[in-house]
Amino acid sequence: QQKVQQSPESLIVPEGGMASLNCTSSDRNVDYFWWYRQHSGKSPKMLMSIFSNGEKEEGRFTVHLNKASLHTSLHIRDSQPSDSALYLCAARGSGYNKLTFGKGTVLLVSP
Amino acid sequence: GGIITQTPKFLIGQEGQKLTLKCQQNFNHDTMYWYRQDSGKGLRLIYYSITENDLQKGDLSEGYDASREKKSSFSLTVTSAQKNEMAVFLCASSGTGQDTQYFGPGTRLLVL
Repeated sequence: QQKVQQSPESLIVPEGGMASLNCTSSDRNVDYFWWYRQHSGKSPKMLMSIFSNGEKEEGRFTVHLNKASLHTSLHIRDSQPSDSALYLCAARGSGYNKLTFGKGTVLLVSP
Repeated sequence: GGIITQTPKFLIGQEGQKLTLKCQQNFNHDTMYWYRQDSGKGLRLIYYSITENDLQKGDLSEGYDASREKKSSFSLTVTSAQKNEMAVFLCASSGTGQDTQYFGPGTRLLVL
């Protein structure tokens, strides 16, 4: 059974700082990763996805993927209090319809 | 764009009761999912369906039934609610060849 491990469990960064979140899959068949953000009391919203080795940047958000180690990371620069949320990593195994989610990282950006 | 609606928003039940949660989507997506989320933690897959009348078990299917009555709707039944159970049930959908999942607002369950 595929597992998706996220670290750290929680993270506090000052406003304007850099937040770095990690995610690793134990399934060698994984070919696609997603990062979702879930604000308190709301439903998860897709933030970014990546399937190629390397990095992808969208505004203040950068995602890295190392397919050999099945490790992805999400970096948020110039963090804002509105970035405070639960960040969920999800992975898809090749040929499967379903995603496996990690337990999430709680990010708190302190003003 | 589209939207996923879940009913009811809040559900309070009694121990042993059978409870049904409903989900509708107008994305015209083929695949629909039911997840359980405890205490703001990660999502655990209960059931999913890749087309009308199809059902696939997830990691947490025991104690639940599901029904895909038509392409746009997917229901979940808690067969026997457990006392002190408290969780959020999230419905999601995704299109063919696009695995990004879109989530509904959730149903919050409390069992007394």
